Amino acid sequence: KAGVTQTPRYLIKTRGQQVTLSCSPISGHRSVSWYQQTPGQGLQFLFEYFSETQRNKGNFPGRFSGRQFSNSRSEMNVSTLELGDSALYLCASSFFDPSDEQYFGPGTRLTVT
Amino acid sequence: AQRVTQPEKLLSVFKGAPVELKCNYSYSGSPELFWYVQYSRQRLQLLLRHISRESIKGFTADLNKGETSFHLKKPFAQEEDSAMYYCALTGGTSYGKLTFGQGTILTVHP
Repeated sequence: KAGVTQTPRYLIKTRGQQVTLSCSPISGHRSVSWYQQTPGQGLQFLFEYFSETQRNKGNFPGRFSGRQFSNSRSEMNVSTLELGDSALYLCASSFFDPSDEQYFGPGTRLTVT
Repeated sequence: AQRVTQPEKLLSVFKGAPVELKCNYSYSGSPELFWYVQYSRQRLQLLLRHISRESIKGFTADLNKGETSFHLKKPFAQEEDSAMYYCALTGGTSYGKLTFGQGTILTVHP
């Protein structure tokens, strides 16, 4: 089966701009989670969506938001970009339960200049 | 608060030697624990989880609730085991949320 896909794979943005990242989960998976990966902080949970509803949220400012569509595809948005938002953003999909295996996408590399 | 600690950033062993990657956690409840692995130029993928009690690629991990540990072990390391290993935790109503350790880079020398 096709894996999790993320677009775009690379992005360069300027401070103050906003950005939207997209994630297509594995067919049949209804849960989509987003993570930020940086060398200093490692992998940090941003939020999770299931059936178009945010079920869980990490400790990130309100500039980070997301949504999920009826086909389970998800987008995350970062507004008013800061230099510290430069990171690899990973999306993961799973069936339903927290204990279900999460399948990760290749990530979107965001660079803020 | 849930927390995962992997005390070793780097671990080097020779081929055929035993390997143990350490993972300690803090969680007030019954955790679900996982080991994820990322091989060079590949995406993060599940290696094993404690509830399945499987041995994957020769690796095993035992959940020790008394010591709050979930160490990953393999009796005879292979060069293809070289990768970044992450211990991760979830539980309760932490829907979709994995709390990851900082990761351990394992290098297996020939």
